[in-house]
Amino acid sequence: QKEVEQNSGPLSVPEGAIASLNCTYSDRGSQSFFWYRQYSGKSPELIMFIYSNGDKEDGRFTAQLNKASQYVSLLIRDSQPSDSATYLCAVKRGFKTIFGAGTRLFVKA
Amino acid sequence: EAGVAQSPRYKIIEKRQSVAFWCNPISGHATLYWYQQILGQGPKLLIQFQNNGVVDDSQLPKDRFSAERLKGVDSTLKIQPAKLEDSAVYLCASSLDLGASSGGRHEQYFGPGTRLTVT
Repeated sequence: QKEVEQNSGPLSVPEGAIASLNCTYSDRGSQSFFWYRQYSGKSPELIMFIYSNGDKEDGRFTAQLNKASQYVSLLIRDSQPSDSATYLCAVKRGFKTIFGAGTRLFVKA
Repeated sequence: EAGVAQSPRYKIIEKRQSVAFWCNPISGHATLYWYQQILGQGPKLLIQFQNNGVVDDSQLPKDRFSAERLKGVDSTLKIQPAKLEDSAVYLCASSLDLGASSGGRHEQYFGPGTRLTVT
């Protein structure tokens, strides 16, 4: 079992729809959870972070964390073609951060 | 605020040659990371420094890879000799993170990366 698992995709959604990206992790002691966006040929950039169970909203993005079920998700509302990228889930415990392999999202105009 | 700087941006070498990458983190960031990202995969941590000490190098192929962070600022990553499977993007990132003492809540800021092709 991988420490951080993501569906590789591609996940294809029409413009204006909600894109739902999921991530599961194996370490129950994980403390912090990050979503990074990576455009093709570019480096990762932070989208959102979440530490506590529940939802956290920032503009069109909502991160959801369920520590009991060991999953974290990212919802993108009103998806735009510019959201087409790979979304990396990162899970942190203490000083150690582990990245998932990423989910490719394609938003069709 | 200046971001993480890396050089070179691209490098093509033949197998068995050596190569070095340089990284200058964001000013004041105590923690510096080197990642290897192979196409279609997530970043894989090679080595993590906190100031000039190594925090984690468990996935660094120490027979061919080495890294240093003198004076707790700039860092270099070297590969000698290179293999075909080393072809990847090498990402440097930095963070204010001090591990458990800072609650582990700091995100990483990535540099533009160095794309290495080994032929």
